[in-house]
Amino acid sequence: GIQVEQSPPDLILQEGANSTLRCNFSDSVNNLQWFHQNPWGQLINLFYIPSGTKQNGRLSATTVATERYSLLYISSSQTTDSGVYFCAVMYAGSYQLTFGKGTKLSVIP
Amino acid sequence: DAGVTQSPTHLIKTRGQQVTLRCSPISGHKSVSWYQQVLGQGPQFIFQYYEKEERGRGNFPDRFSARQFPNYSSELNVNALLLGDSALYLCASSLGQGASNQPQHFGDGTRLSIL
Repeated sequence: GIQVEQSPPDLILQEGANSTLRCNFSDSVNNLQWFHQNPWGQLINLFYIPSGTKQNGRLSATTVATERYSLLYISSSQTTDSGVYFCAVMYAGSYQLTFGKGTKLSVIP
Repeated sequence: DAGVTQSPTHLIKTRGQQVTLRCSPISGHKSVSWYQQVLGQGPQFIFQYYEKEERGRGNFPDRFSARQFPNYSSELNVNALLLGDSALYLCASSLGQGASNQPQHFGDGTRLSIL
């Protein structure tokens, strides 16, 4: 099956710092989503981005489908950004999202 | 509009018991998927249902079953519970059968603990 690798596995930031999270995938996809799972377990949609670039406030994402990777940028990080960030993909004709192992982000004041 | 709603939020069962988890999709969404997330890992796909039919199944034993109702809500059933079934169970909905090119939206999950 399709493989999804996220890096780094853990990240500690000072409040106000910027960061880049990476997601590599092993096959062509037509669904790629970034999620933030908060400490209460809620899985929050950040971006649906099978290709191209999107921005939402302090967050932005870029997917280069031909090179099979996606990047999530977090600028001016806040303590509320803490949690686990998951990348998940689905290839054409599939019914399941395949998740990476996540990047655990801790933002300290 | 309401998002994906799941019930109950928390549940405690003992080994060997049976459990039923419930999910209501976003209004207008016809596809429902179930995922299991054990501590420290990403969610794992269990089932996808569309128009009351099972369209996909992950690598889970037959103790896991599900169904979808005419109003597109869904239930996940787990029989003969094992300690390893302790997890967060997530439900996701999307618009139609062509789920691979549509975003999935997740509920807050049911946290199941097996004693």
